[in-house]
Amino acid sequence: AQSVAQPEDQVNVAEGNPLTVKCTYSVSGNPYLFWYVQYPNRGLQFLLKYITGDNLVKGSYGFEAEFNKSQTSFHLKKPSALVSDSALYFCAVRPLNTGFQKLVFGTGTRLLVSP
Amino acid sequence: DTGVSQNPRHKITKRGQNVTFRCDPISEHNRLYWYRQTLGQGPEFLTYFQNEAQLEKSRLLSDRFSAERPKGSFSTLEIQRTEQGDSAMYLCASSSYGTGDTDTQYFGPGTRLTVL
Repeated sequence: AQSVAQPEDQVNVAEGNPLTVKCTYSVSGNPYLFWYVQYPNRGLQFLLKYITGDNLVKGSYGFEAEFNKSQTSFHLKKPSALVSDSALYFCAVRPLNTGFQKLVFGTGTRLLVSP
Repeated sequence: DTGVSQNPRHKITKRGQNVTFRCDPISEHNRLYWYRQTLGQGPEFLTYFQNEAQLEKSRLLSDRFSAERPKGSFSTLEIQRTEQGDSAMYLCASSSYGTGDTDTQYFGPGTRLTVL
């Protein structure tokens, strides 16, 4: 069965500092991995995904994520945080090369960027 | 491209009533998904359509829940005899298959259901 763990309920960082939001996953076979962001009372907004290829994936708004197969991790990073990055971040996984399309999400990590 | 739209955005109903939500996917997206999100949790998959065919259903989708996509465009999710435990945000997503940006699900703003 697939699962995603986001070990931190909240991450606090000062504006201008680098940020990392952690994600580890469990899936049979190779994974598709995704990061989404959710602002209050809004749906999920796609940030980036990993399917194959380069382990470092670049996405929207300066975010990037690094796929580490040996550690089964897909941590989200940004070199310099903005106050406007404050939101709820979700990691999601689904297995590659199966007929199943559903995404399995983590419980989310709230990012708070202070001025 | 106006994105995925969902209506209504908010619905308050009394326990035992039936409710229906609508989702309009991104035009030409042939896959459509429904998820449910409760407070403090990530979205949970309910069901998925490719064109008009419903191809996956979660065990979360009890007999009181039914989803349709009759012409392969918009979809409806109906909940019969609502219970307080049905209170949640219902999210719709769509993706393309076979062309363009496959595999990425784009989400709508959600319908927040409150059952009193």
